[in-house]
Amino acid sequence: AQSVSQHNHHVILSEAASLELGCNYSYGGTVNLFWYVQYPGQHLQLLLKYFSGDPLVKGIKGFEAEFIKSKFSFNLRKPSVQWSDTAEYFCAVSWDSSYKLIFGSGTRLLVRP
Amino acid sequence: GAVVSQHPSWVICKSGTSVKIECRSLDFQATTMFWYRQFPKQSLMLMATSNEGSKATYEQGVEKDKFLINHASLTLSTLTVTSAHPEDSSFYICSASVGYGYTFGSGTRLTVV
Repeated sequence: AQSVSQHNHHVILSEAASLELGCNYSYGGTVNLFWYVQYPGQHLQLLLKYFSGDPLVKGIKGFEAEFIKSKFSFNLRKPSVQWSDTAEYFCAVSWDSSYKLIFGSGTRLLVRP
Repeated sequence: GAVVSQHPSWVICKSGTSVKIECRSLDFQATTMFWYRQFPKQSLMLMATSNEGSKATYEQGVEKDKFLINHASLTLSTLTVTSAHPEDSSFYICSASVGYGYTFGSGTRLTVV
């Protein structure tokens, strides 16, 4: 079955630390990859997406992600986090031109000032 | 950008009653909408995909008679939780596919007492 795994459930960092959140998906085929952020009390917002082309994708707010096909991974990175990055982050994948999005379990990030 | 408006944002209902949640696309036509359920501290689980003018497609394990989905127009999809029970208490989120990916409603917190 198609699935998405986020191995880091809770991450606590100090401001200016670097961030990397892991995301792996279950099997190959043509994939569309997404990272969403959910700030406390708010709805999901798109951080970045990958459909094709350059596997290193830059998104909003200084986030980027790298698609590594051989590892079925799409890890999210930010070189220097801010307190305002405290939120929950979701990786999501759709396969083979399907509209269905499968979400990972999410990672709660707490950035200490 | 494409905006999806979801109402109500929260609702409390008595066990055995039905609750309707609306999802409207404000500035675009949404031929396909998705309904998710999010349990506390868990990820979004796709419940069903609704297509305008046709029957919704439900994910495995989702009771189609309990969660009635109607997508009668290109701008409105509704989810009705029928004969609600406390275990139906959850956060329900709608989403629509747009050219660059997906846009999400702000969610509805349902509490069944």
